Amino acid sequence: EIVLTQSPGTLSLSPGERATLSCRASQSVSSNYLAWYQQKPGQAPRLLIYGASNRATGIPDRFSGSGSGTDFTLTISRLEPEDFAVYYCQQYATSPRTFGQGTKVEIK
Amino acid sequence: QVRLAESGGGLVKPGGSLKLSCAVSGLNFGDSYMSWIRQAPGKGLEWVSYISPSGRSGSTLYYADSVKGRFTISRDNAKKSLYLQMNSLRVEDTAVYYCARGHYDLGYWGQGTLVTVSS
Repeated sequence: EIVLTQSPGTLSLSPGERATLSCRASQSVSSNYLAWYQQKPGQAPRLLIYGASNRATGIPDRFSGSGSGTDFTLTISRLEPEDFAVYYCQQYATSPRTFGQGTKVEIK
Repeated sequence: QVRLAESGGGLVKPGGSLKLSCAVSGLNFGDSYMSWIRQAPGKGLEWVSYISPSGRSGSTLYYADSVKGRFTISRDNAKKSLYLQMNSLRVEDTAVYYCARGHYDLGYWGQGTLVTVSS
């Protein structure tokens, strides 16, 4: 099983600042089969990034994904008020599909 | 407009059973892998199960170890519906259960249905 470890657990930032979220895999994620999701309280997760760096339909270009192998990053270039939420990475290279434990981006 | 709507959640005693349903509209259900993902209160996401498009015997099924032998995923392509039969429920199965389209990245999710297992 591929274990995904996200850091930091909580990120305290102000609107307009840049957010950098990390996702580290316990073994290489082949074909960069890694996705990122945003989840707000009481809502289902929303797909942001797939294939490590491809934005999903309708996702603003302030969201970008990068990385390969075991190290992946989600960057939010300038935080908008609606971006404060929990973010999860997920690998789909192997079964079981696994999620990271999440990073909460909160208003400083 | 794509819509996934789960139903069937509720309160059940340990050892009991429950069947969840997910009604899908606005996408080609018959050609889609479908998944169930759950989220315990205040916790992260866990992939529970997925099923390949055909739904017939011999189709691809996946179950997390935590539910294998207790949960059964199925689908009715004519009704555009996905199901999760949950037997021998445990307290640790308490969670919001989401249905989602796909078995790689998950682009469409339902709003979730809460299952509470408690005596």
